[in-house]
Amino acid sequence: GAVVSQHPSRVICKSGTSVKIECRSLDFQATTMFWYRQFPKKSLMLMATSNEGSKATYEQGVEKDKFLINHASLTLSTLTVTSAHPEDSSFYICSATTGSPYNEQFFGPGTRLTVL
Amino acid sequence: AQSVTQPDIHITVSEGASLELRCNYSYGATPYLFWYVQSPGQGLQLLLKYFSGDTLVQGIKGFEAEFKRSQSSFNLRKPSVHWSDAAEYFCAVGTTSGTYKYIFGTGTRLKVLA
Repeated sequence: GAVVSQHPSRVICKSGTSVKIECRSLDFQATTMFWYRQFPKKSLMLMATSNEGSKATYEQGVEKDKFLINHASLTLSTLTVTSAHPEDSSFYICSATTGSPYNEQFFGPGTRLTVL
Repeated sequence: AQSVTQPDIHITVSEGASLELRCNYSYGATPYLFWYVQSPGQGLQLLLKYFSGDTLVQGIKGFEAEFKRSQSSFNLRKPSVHWSDAAEYFCAVGTTSGTYKYIFGTGTRLKVLA
């Protein structure tokens, strides 16, 4: 149980284009989903927290207009990287939680984004 | 400020040797605590977690961790390392009030010598 999927697993795009990454909770309803970014050989940095039907809460320093997050249902959140540039290349990981009882997060396998 | 420190960036051990990875945290209350392992290019795999109760926690792959409140630590141990344990290990703190989120340590890269 508690499986989270991400699609695509890898994506390569040209500079200036937008890329959408999907995060799905497959066997549970997620009240909250999280998006992390991981640079090579670095730790995970929380980008934003999203609750179903609400606007996402972005961490300090994360451009909300660059990284658009939509959490339209209890099983799906999307991250859209708008007008991507090479510096946006990174490993993006999502997680989801039901909230109860310990707000435990279940992580997706990650999406490798490469912007040429 | 809330933070998680993994003092060792790299650790090298011989196969069969014991392992201890250190994790210290700064948090105003007793947090939830986690250890994850990540192989290159892969996602996170949960090794073990602590929410409450017994401070010695058993996990998968023969790992265990001990929560020491007085030291604000949650060190990960394994009595005998296997070559397949080579990976990046992350300690994480889950906040228990306010905005619920995880704070990750900087990671420890484990190398295993044959």
